[in-house]
Amino acid sequence: EVQLVQSGAEVKKPGESLKISCKGSGYSFTSYWISWVRQMPGKGLEWMGRIDPSDSYTNYSPSFQGHVTISADKSISTAYLQWSSLKASDTAMYYCARRARGTPGGMDVWGQGTTVTVSS
Amino acid sequence: EIVMTQSPATLSVSPGERATLSCRASQSVSSNLAWYQQKPGQAPRLLIYGASTRATGVPARFSGSGSGTEFTLTISSLQSEDFAVYYCQQYNNWPPWTFGQGTKVEIK
Repeated sequence: EVQLVQSGAEVKKPGESLKISCKGSGYSFTSYWISWVRQMPGKGLEWMGRIDPSDSYTNYSPSFQGHVTISADKSISTAYLQWSSLKASDTAMYYCARRARGTPGGMDVWGQGTTVTVSS
Repeated sequence: EIVMTQSPATLSVSPGERATLSCRASQSVSSNLAWYQQKPGQAPRLLIYGASTRATGVPARFSGSGSGTEFTLTISSLQSEDFAVYYCQQYNNWPPWTFGQGTKVEIK
C-alpha cells in the first residue's frame, strides 16, 4: 500500500525548535516530490514548499521562505519540516503530500497530518 | 503569485442534485489545475488533475472542465459522502503552487 505516515502531534512553547517527519512507503520515494501544506484552524490549504528527495532540491513559497526548512533523507524514505524558533501563529495542521517528478499533476497521496500547537 | 478565487463560498444542495463549483485564476494556468476534496478531520483527497482528468478511484459523477483562467468542478448527483470542502489548486506558475479558499458543499 502506498502511504505517507507523519509523526505525531506536538505541543511546543514559542521560541522552541521542532522537526516533524513524513515517511513514504509502498513506492519509489525518489520518484516523487514531497510538498508540505499548512492548514490553520478553520482555514484553507497553503502550500509551503517542496523537496525532490532524489537530490534534496527545494522550493519554498515566499510566505514561508526563511521561516521553515524542508529536508529529506532518501535512505530512510523520510521528509522533514523544521522550525528553529516557533511562533504562536505556527499553530496548525501540517500535511505532507507527494507529486510525481517531471509530470505535471496534482498531489495524489497525502499524509494523515501532524497537529502542531504553539502556546506559552 | 497566482491568486485562485473560488465561488461560491458555500453551496447548499439536496442529495441527488447537481453541484457546480467555480474556480478562477488571476492569470492563465493553462490546464494545470487540480481539485481536492476534504472532509472534516481528514486529509485532502485528489479528485481531478489536468483540469479534467479524474484521479484513480474517483467516481464518474465528478467531472472537471475549463482552461486558462476559468474552471468548473461538477458533481452530477450528490451523494451523502460528497458533502465536504472542495479546493482548486494551480501548479502552472510556481513557486508557489496556490490553492483557492475553498467551497463548502452542505446539505440543503
